[in-house]
Amino acid sequence: AQRVTQPEKLLSVFKGAPVELKCNYSYSGSPELFWYVQYSRQRLQLLLRHISRESIKGFTADLNKGETSFHLKKPFAQEEDSAMYYCALNPHASGGSYIPTFGRGTSLIVHP
Amino acid sequence: DGGITQSPKYLFRKEGQNVTLSCEQNLNHDAMYWYRQDPGQGLRLIYYSQIVNDFQKGDIAEGYSVSREKKESFPLTVTSAQKNPTAFYLCASSLGTGGRETQYFGPGTRLLVL
Repeated sequence: AQRVTQPEKLLSVFKGAPVELKCNYSYSGSPELFWYVQYSRQRLQLLLRHISRESIKGFTADLNKGETSFHLKKPFAQEEDSAMYYCALNPHASGGSYIPTFGRGTSLIVHP
Repeated sequence: DGGITQSPKYLFRKEGQNVTLSCEQNLNHDAMYWYRQDPGQGLRLIYYSQIVNDFQKGDIAEGYSVSREKKESFPLTVTSAQKNPTAFYLCASSLGTGGRETQYFGPGTRLLVL
């Protein structure tokens, strides 16, 4: 069974500081990993996918298969980055079905 | 916004009552999901459907039921058997069920017990 662990419930930083939201996963195959974000009073939405290898809103995430991690990073945090962040894993379909798994989420607060 | 909608925004349930949460999407997505979001628990999958007239239990299906009679609609019923229904419920959809599919979420329904 797959598992996604986000060890920090809350991460508090000051504006301009670097931020790293940790995500570790457990999965026997080759996973597809995502970061979703939920801003205050907005719906949960995709931030980025590992397959895209892109930077969104200054955030990047690298899949490290050796460490089974997919940490989300941003060199200089902004106040508007304050939100709840969820790491998610999609297993590759096996037998025609799969179940996505989400971590418990990390609340990021960026102070002015 | 649009795309995937949920109603109502708030729902109150009395003891012993079944209530139904609506989820509709106009994205032509095959797959739809229901999650329960509790503080500190993240998103937990209740049910999912990969195609019309088919659905599967997720991790916490007990006390819930669903139907998928139309591609656009995936209503969730919270039955009286669900002893702790107070939570925020999120519906999502994705184009397919391959591993690379992104999920699109609705705005959520908050269910409260009177």
